[in-house]
Amino acid sequence: GQQVMQIPQYQHVQEGEDFTTYCNSSTTLSNIQWYKQRPGGHPVFLIQLVKSGEVKKQKRLTFQFGEAKKNSSLHITATQTTDVGTYFCAGADSSNTGKLIFGQGTTLQVKP
Amino acid sequence: GAVVSQHPSRVICKSGTSVKIECRSLDFQATTMFWYRQFPKQSLMLMATSNEGSKATYEQGVEKDKFLINHASLTLSTLTVTSAHPEDSSFYICSANPGLGGTDTQYFGPGTRLTVL
Repeated sequence: GQQVMQIPQYQHVQEGEDFTTYCNSSTTLSNIQWYKQRPGGHPVFLIQLVKSGEVKKQKRLTFQFGEAKKNSSLHITATQTTDVGTYFCAGADSSNTGKLIFGQGTTLQVKP
Repeated sequence: GAVVSQHPSRVICKSGTSVKIECRSLDFQATTMFWYRQFPKQSLMLMATSNEGSKATYEQGVEKDKFLINHASLTLSTLTVTSAHPEDSSFYICSANPGLGGTDTQYFGPGTRLTVL
């Protein structure tokens, strides 16, 4: 079945350093979504990418969707301690069921 | 907008009992809701798709007789863990899609942490 792989699993950075997490799907996606989960919390929607090659920015966060619509990345510039959490990508296939397949997540720790 | 609530937030029960978890969309109607399970330090695993007015669709490996889903209205879905055992202890999260503009964006409830003794 469809799989979404995400790397790295963990990342420790010094505050101010950049951070990137990568997501790869075994199949072409209709769209990809990114969520952030703080420790003890629930996933919170960040963004959705739909178009091939799409790039979207939210302040220090940059999201990219690959040309083949099978991979995506989230890049955080100049991390802050508030960026701590687990970032999940979630792929929607073209079956129109609304189902999302989540990647394993990347847990970010930021040292002040 | 797009707020999803879950109740209870935390439950501790004895082995063999059943536990019901409610998922409500507060400011929108949702014909479809999703139930996930998340073990510590792991990703979200989709258990089932809850469809208003019809039977839920379960993912492979999820026992439908153990995890009963009822989607009785456009704003409420319930998950009942029947005859719970310690291995059912987990974080159960629901989500709903407002269905705006044909997007698949899902909004998550705050989750229910189940501990089975």
